Amino acid sequence: SYVLTQPPSVSVAPGKTARITCGGNNIGSKSVHWYQQKPGQAPVLVIYYDSDRPSGIPERFSGSNSGNTATLTISRVEAGDEADYYCQVWDSSSDHPEFGGGTKLTVL
Amino acid sequence: QVQLVQSGAEVKKPGASVKVSCKASGYTFTSYGISWVRQAPGQGLEWMGWISAYNGNTNYAQKLQGRVTMTTDTSTSTAYMELRSLRSDDTAVYYCARQDSSSSPFDYWGQGTLVTVSS
Repeated sequence: SYVLTQPPSVSVAPGKTARITCGGNNIGSKSVHWYQQKPGQAPVLVIYYDSDRPSGIPERFSGSNSGNTATLTISRVEAGDEADYYCQVWDSSSDHPEFGGGTKLTVL
Repeated sequence: QVQLVQSGAEVKKPGASVKVSCKASGYTFTSYGISWVRQAPGQGLEWMGWISAYNGNTNYAQKLQGRVTMTTDTSTSTAYMELRSLRSDDTAVYYCARQDSSSSPFDYWGQGTLVTVSS
């Protein structure tokens, strides 16, 4: 199966920029989706197809994907952005989606 | 607006079965598929399988093959996930999520259903 590697945690001060990475073999050739999950809530799609934002998601959220790393960038971080973030791809070799292990974003 | 509303929490004994429902509204049910994703306590997201609401085609995670069945009732716009031979490590929150196709992102999620397996 296709393995996605995320850092367990990322910390950032309010107003700064947070970057959450998702590593995978030649992930740049795949489409990456990102989900935000706050405690006790269902995940929410925040970035799809590498860099598109669903309606209602602030422009502060952006994504990029190249080589072996995809990145979710959150600009001007707010306290309300504190959550777990998961990357996800479609693994065509196994014909199913794969999730990264998740990254806990802490706003200092 | 798109909504996926799931059935309530369940407590089951090991070896039993559970069936979770996911009622969709706000869109044409048969134009999308539904995946089921579970999350054990304190753990990450695990995809369980997908069903097309258009034709009932399914795609299950290999580790659950033989224990899971996903169905839909188009008359009520409801998807179901049944898991059999429950074990303690099946204790998790189970989510349904809408997809345009089996390889698409999960664009809307249900609120989750806690299934506890305990003797």
